[in-house]
Amino acid sequence: KAGVTQTPRYLIKTRGQQVTLSCSPISGHRSVSWYQQTPGQGLQFLFEYFSETQRNKGNFPGRFSGRQFSNSRSEMNVSTLELGDSALYLCASSRTSGTTGELFFGEGSRLTVL
Amino acid sequence: GESVGLHLPTLSVQEGDNSIINCAYSNSASDYFIWYKQESGKGPQFIIDIRSNMDKRQGQRVTVLLNKTVKHLSLQIAATQPGDSAVYFCAENGLSDKLIFGTGTRLQVFP
Repeated sequence: KAGVTQTPRYLIKTRGQQVTLSCSPISGHRSVSWYQQTPGQGLQFLFEYFSETQRNKGNFPGRFSGRQFSNSRSEMNVSTLELGDSALYLCASSRTSGTTGELFFGEGSRLTVL
Repeated sequence: GESVGLHLPTLSVQEGDNSIINCAYSNSASDYFIWYKQESGKGPQFIIDIRSNMDKRQGQRVTVLLNKTVKHLSLQIAATQPGDSAVYFCAENGLSDKLIFGTGTRLQVFP
């Protein structure tokens, strides 16, 4: 059974640009959550999608957005990139929504903003 | 606000010894806790979880202890091996039905 797949694994952008990251969940998983990981802040919750609906959202500015498709694949977008957006962006999938199901993480997309 | 913290940022142990990683949580309403392991270059991997109606749960070489009185969570790893070297995160479900992760503890295993 394939795990959670994130693309691209690495990318470099400059300030002001925008970026789109993709996540393919484990087959049969309908919930996809996104996290930002930085050395200083640890793992910060961005948002969760379940059955194409945003179910929960963290405390990030509106420049961070996401969506989920009918096949459960998800994308997140960051517009007007800032230096502080440099981070590892992790996607996690689970069968159920909320926090009581086991989350399966991908290996992340490492974004560097110059 | 909600927060989950760790007492020690780095823990160094000798191979074969037992490791104990501690975590303090602030939200007394949390009723579900998880430990994750993250190896270098990889995403976090589920280790073990525990619900608030329990105070201890055992897995393979790992035990999680929950003390709700002092809002403390610990992960015990028996006979620590080099492959256990990683960053360990605790997480709680908090009030808003999203997982809140601690800042992580790095476990270093020496031969």
